Amino acid sequence: DTEVTQTPKHLVMGMTNKKSLKCEQHMGHRAMYWYKQKAKKPPELMFVYSYEKLSINESVPSRFSPECPNSSLLNLHLHALQPEDSALYLCASSQPPTGVNEQFFGPGTRLTVL
Amino acid sequence: RKEVEQDPGPFNVPEGATVAFNCTYSNSASQSFFWYRQDCRKEPKLLMSVYSSGNEDGRFTAQLNRASQYISLLIRDSKLSDSATYLCVVILRFNKFYFGSGTKLNVKP
Repeated sequence: DTEVTQTPKHLVMGMTNKKSLKCEQHMGHRAMYWYKQKAKKPPELMFVYSYEKLSINESVPSRFSPECPNSSLLNLHLHALQPEDSALYLCASSQPPTGVNEQFFGPGTRLTVL
Repeated sequence: RKEVEQDPGPFNVPEGATVAFNCTYSNSASQSFFWYRQDCRKEPKLLMSVYSSGNEDGRFTAQLNRASQYISLLIRDSKLSDSATYLCVVILRFNKFYFGSGTKLNVKP
């Protein structure tokens, strides 16, 4: 059983919708991550939060907006997405420093943009 | 040139076989290394970290060769349940994370 949970498991949205993905971890980690994974490709890093502050934004389009309300929660707000944004969105957490310790992944949200 | 390269496979092996995967990285400043496994339509799960001295966990052995810039994963006595895609992860300084494209392993009865 994963200690990183993500909701919803599946999401279908139109290009004009606004939705949010949620991630929660119960391991006391202070670094959290968002990844995007397309079929048969490795995960691509999108954002990193360290001690609730955004430390890495991998040039992600502004239609993706991350938020870290507290040390155990991470959100990804979605607005005006494109069909090519359809993918599996993975959340992960680790102990800082973010460049050293192993990450633990949640089960992901499978997003379809129509 | 990609930062991290893996043979995509698939590696098709019988149960009980020993199989090895390599993952080469291009930047000698890379500082941390991991192997993950990912089952179809599931999240990556940490298999093991890779240390300079090499490390073993049951049937799995990971090694790091800094001189030749590669990491390896050896699986002994393969089980059907080992069938998955194995991803290497290399972390540079300044929090640059690189996933290999994954090596698919099929263990056959």
